[in-house]
Amino acid sequence: QSVLTQAPSASGTPGQRVTISCSGSSSNIGSNTVNWYQQLPGTAPKVLIYRNNERPSGIPDRFSGSKSGTSASLAISGLQSGDEADYYCAAWDDSLNAHVFGTGTQVTVL
Amino acid sequence: EVQLVESGGGLVKSGGSLRLSCAASGFTFRSYSLNWVRQAPGKGLEWVSSISSDGSYIYYADSVKGRFTISRDNAENSLYLQMNSLRAEDTAVYYCVRDHLRRPGSLSLLDYWGQGTLVSVSS
Repeated sequence: QSVLTQAPSASGTPGQRVTISCSGSSSNIGSNTVNWYQQLPGTAPKVLIYRNNERPSGIPDRFSGSKSGTSASLAISGLQSGDEADYYCAAWDDSLNAHVFGTGTQVTVL
Repeated sequence: EVQLVESGGGLVKSGGSLRLSCAASGFTFRSYSLNWVRQAPGKGLEWVSSISSDGSYIYYADSVKGRFTISRDNAENSLYLQMNSLRAEDTAVYYCVRDHLRRPGSLSLLDYWGQGTLVSVSS
């Protein structure tokens, strides 16, 4: 049972901007950093955004993250066909003493 | 290069047991907490268990508490998951995942993932 809520799908045409939201609570997003993971088909997840809005080396600046209160967002600008993947938000939950993941959003490039 | 290689998955009957292993290399194993995260076929990610760098802090998801046991051997650079009383709903790919902290917490980041090992539980 996922603690963080995401829309199941999002889509856009090449070059468009897509935004994915992640809703949590005071015990997870509200008090801890949010990370975003990208899972390409048939592969393991990889870090896309960490500490709310930081990008690991090698991740293009088309990907950006933000956090406000108990919600977080991932934006993908200049959408490309290679961005088709599942995207998950995640955070530590102080009440559960657990890593919690979002329900996942499948991004489709039309 | 950080590498996490899982093994031990397979087909098991409901009520049976399985032990997963994760061989780590490319980093100072004893300095990082580790996790098991699973993904059922066609479903999302589900955290299973965490163990701190020295093994003194251990956490489990409610769905596996009392049935699964996480452990590590810092001398062998290995992580384990003993799974007992397996159920059909435990069928998933199990990933070995590193956290960049010694103990899970506010700034946790699951920064390196293995390729996963498939566990199938038949009813």
